[in-house]
Amino acid sequence: QKEVEQNSGPLSVPEGAIASLNCTYSDRGSQSFFWYRQYSGKSPELIMSIYSNGDKEDGRFTAQLNKASQYVSLLIRDSQPSDSATYLCAVNRVNDMRFGAGTRLTVKP
Amino acid sequence: ETGVTQSPTHLIKTRGQQVTLRCSSQSGHNTVSWYQQALGQGPQFIFQYYREEENGRGNFPPRFSGLQFPNYSSELNVNALELDDSALYLCASAQENTQYFGPGTRLTVL
Repeated sequence: QKEVEQNSGPLSVPEGAIASLNCTYSDRGSQSFFWYRQYSGKSPELIMSIYSNGDKEDGRFTAQLNKASQYVSLLIRDSQPSDSATYLCAVNRVNDMRFGAGTRLTVKP
Repeated sequence: ETGVTQSPTHLIKTRGQQVTLRCSSQSGHNTVSWYQQALGQGPQFIFQYYREEENGRGNFPPRFSGLQFPNYSSELNVNALELDDSALYLCASAQENTQYFGPGTRLTVL
């Protein structure tokens, strides 16, 4: 079992739709959770962090965390073509961070 | 921009050679981590330094080593390069558990 699992995609949504990205993790001791966006050929950039169960909203982005189910998700509302990228889920344990392989999202105009 | 810089941008080496990659952390960040990202994969954790001491390591062999300097800049050294070491190497500096990535160094091993 991989430590952090994501659907590799590609996930394709029309412009203006909601994109839903999911992630599960195996280590119950994980303490903090992050979503990064990575454009092709670029380094990951932080979108959101979440530390406690529930929802956290930032603009068009909402992160959801359920520690009992070991599940993290990211919702992107009103998706734009500029949101087309690979989205990486990251889970921080003590002194290291583990990433999923990423989900490739395409937003079609 | 995250304020984290890396050099060089690109590098080509041959099998068996040694390479040193450099990272300059964002001001005030005393923790730096290094990652290897192969094409189509997520970043893989190599190791982390906190105040010049290694305090976490992933599943990488000892030929991957590092240093962190008093000004919190950092180096990643890889000895006896193998073809599979070809990847994007990312440095991330951290503040309060949140990591910010540099632009990366693309290493090609021929």
